[in-house]
Amino acid sequence: EVQLVDSGGGLVQPGRSLRLSCAASGFTFDDYAMHWVRQAPGKGLEWVSGITWNSDSIGYADSVKGRFTISRDNDKNSLYLQMNSLRPEDTAFYYCAKGSTVTFRDYFHSWGQGTLVTVSS
Amino acid sequence: QSVLTQPPSASGTPGQRVTISCSGSSSNIGSSYVCWYQELPGTAPKLLMYRNNQRPSGVPDRFSGSKSGTSASLAISGLRSEDEAHYYCAAWDDSLSGWVFGGGTKLTVL
Repeated sequence: EVQLVDSGGGLVQPGRSLRLSCAASGFTFDDYAMHWVRQAPGKGLEWVSGITWNSDSIGYADSVKGRFTISRDNDKNSLYLQMNSLRPEDTAFYYCAKGSTVTFRDYFHSWGQGTLVTVSS
Repeated sequence: QSVLTQPPSASGTPGQRVTISCSGSSSNIGSSYVCWYQELPGTAPKLLMYRNNQRPSGVPDRFSGSKSGTSASLAISGLRSEDEAHYYCAAWDDSLSGWVFGGGTKLTVL
């Protein structure tokens, strides 16, 4: 069974940094692209970033480009999101999502439980 | 403002058929597969439909998907109380080089 456990969220001041992690199990991690998707409280879903199985291609939403960095460690079956220069509008639940193939152009197959990031002074 | 357009709400009575629409453009729905996600209250989204009309294992055949041009739709027949949830469409956008979502439709079973 696919399991994705998101962690690292919390309360952070504007302009500061935070690093999210996603621990994956139940599937061959390096066979799939991975994503981060967020959802502001009471709002809809927004794709944040995606990374191919071997990290050779990475994509970001315009809203986070230049501030967020996605990475993965296939030896540790883990996905990360380094978030710098955080803004109040980055406040959201952040979900790790497993892709359906090696490329992040294919649909999100499974989702983690989410971790809440609150950016506020 | 979401790139894909969905009605904010839909409703039906048990046993009815309900359809949720998703409208996009040539750079997303018009050139990519559409997928749908169901978000039950207090839970993470779950894949409901992929590649326009393919159901993952475990999704009842009461759910069906279709796509025509730059629009897609999700149909739910034999509506049940447990179908009450938010439904989101999504597609890859070639112009943005990223995934785009609809704003979500809250389905109420009356």
